[in-house]
Amino acid sequence: NAGVMQNPRHLVRRRGQEARLRCSPMKGHSHVYWYRQLPEEGLKFMVYLQKENIIDESGMPKERFSAEFPKEGPSILRIQQVVRGDSAAYFCASSPPGGETEQYFGPGTRLTVT
Amino acid sequence: QQPVQSPQAVILREGEDAVINCSSSKALYSVHWYRQKHGEAPVFLMILLKGGEQKGHEKISASFNEKKQQSSLYLTASQLSYSGTYFCGGSNYKLTFGKGTLLTVNP
Repeated sequence: NAGVMQNPRHLVRRRGQEARLRCSPMKGHSHVYWYRQLPEEGLKFMVYLQKENIIDESGMPKERFSAEFPKEGPSILRIQQVVRGDSAAYFCASSPPGGETEQYFGPGTRLTVT
Repeated sequence: QQPVQSPQAVILREGEDAVINCSSSKALYSVHWYRQKHGEAPVFLMILLKGGEQKGHEKISASFNEKKQQSSLYLTASQLSYSGTYFCGGSNYKLTFGKGTLLTVNP
């Protein structure tokens, strides 16, 4: 059973460009979460999605950031007009449906904004 | 509010034991524990649910005091591979992580 997959693993963008981060959850998992980790800090919740629905986006910055989890295909975290402060590791996690369950993390995408 | 973890860092010799604590000011449905090595993804260790149910790593034990909203992770007979940063996460479906406890196990 393949784990959570994320791509790209490393992404370099210049200020003002767009960044698209992809996440494929584990087989059988219908819940996806995105977290951001700044250097030497803990993980911060960004958004929680189920297929075609955003359940909780309370951790997402109000501007430039968006997320989706379409019926088919991976979940996408999109950052428009990136700034240096967006440089971080972005982790996706998935969990099976039903109640409080463990979340399994992908390897992360390390975004560097130059 | 994020959970508060203690200690912030601990250094052990191989074979020694350690306890990492996690405390929340908010009511939690569950507590999750993860270990992260530098530059890698967090790895699931344990989930503790209200009512005493637990699921996780066979060689790691933990407790969850629902009344006090406190959890402790017990690492016994530590191995070199236990080194890393341990995070507790309080969950109301989304995880709010503490700042982490850096554990170093030396030979």
